[in-house]
Amino acid sequence: GNSVTQMEGPVTLSEEAFLTINCTYTATGYPSLFWYVQYPGEGLQLLLKATKADDKGSNKGFEATYRKETTSFHLEKGSVQVSDSAVYFCAIQGAQKLVFGQGTRLTINP
Amino acid sequence: DTGVSQDPRHKITKRGQNVTFRCDPISEHNRLYWYRQTLGQGPEFLTYFQNEAQLEKSRLLSDRFSAERPKGSFSTLEIQRTEQGDSAMYLCASSPQRRLGNEQFFGPGTRLTVL
Repeated sequence: GNSVTQMEGPVTLSEEAFLTINCTYTATGYPSLFWYVQYPGEGLQLLLKATKADDKGSNKGFEATYRKETTSFHLEKGSVQVSDSAVYFCAIQGAQKLVFGQGTRLTINP
Repeated sequence: DTGVSQDPRHKITKRGQNVTFRCDPISEHNRLYWYRQTLGQGPEFLTYFQNEAQLEKSRLLSDRFSAERPKGSFSTLEIQRTEQGDSAMYLCASSPQRRLGNEQFFGPGTRLTVL
């Protein structure tokens, strides 16, 4: 079945630093890829998605590119803010269900 | 659009008791999903409905678990004879019917603690 391996955390950065959270996947067929975010005390929210190879998803300054050749969907942001502190989940969707990575806790210090 | 709602938000119960959770999806969404999330892990799929039909169940969904969506609107998840290992956050999500990359919108979850 489909699976996701996500960069282990926690990750701590200073404000305005560059962020990369690695995500690789194994899948059959042509899955869709997602990044979800969970802010403290809140539910899961979709951050961005890509539905086919070479698609780039972007939102709130975050970007991720669907790389079929490396089976990766790494999350990047050029300059993080304190408000980006949260847990980030990479997820893959084949037919219907989402399969999530274990999550990466990100803390941004001022 | 009021989002996905779940009730209760927290439930504490004693081992062996039965519990039932409710999920109200976004009104125009015909797909509804249940996931379970334990501390420090990502959500794990339990089951999903398209309208009132339950189309897929995970192996995680033992015979103590049952889910229903009788009229294709709200859904309930019941756990019978709860065990301490059932302690987790139970998440509900809904989505519209699209071919590719149908985003799932998540509710706030029901946190279950089994003593």
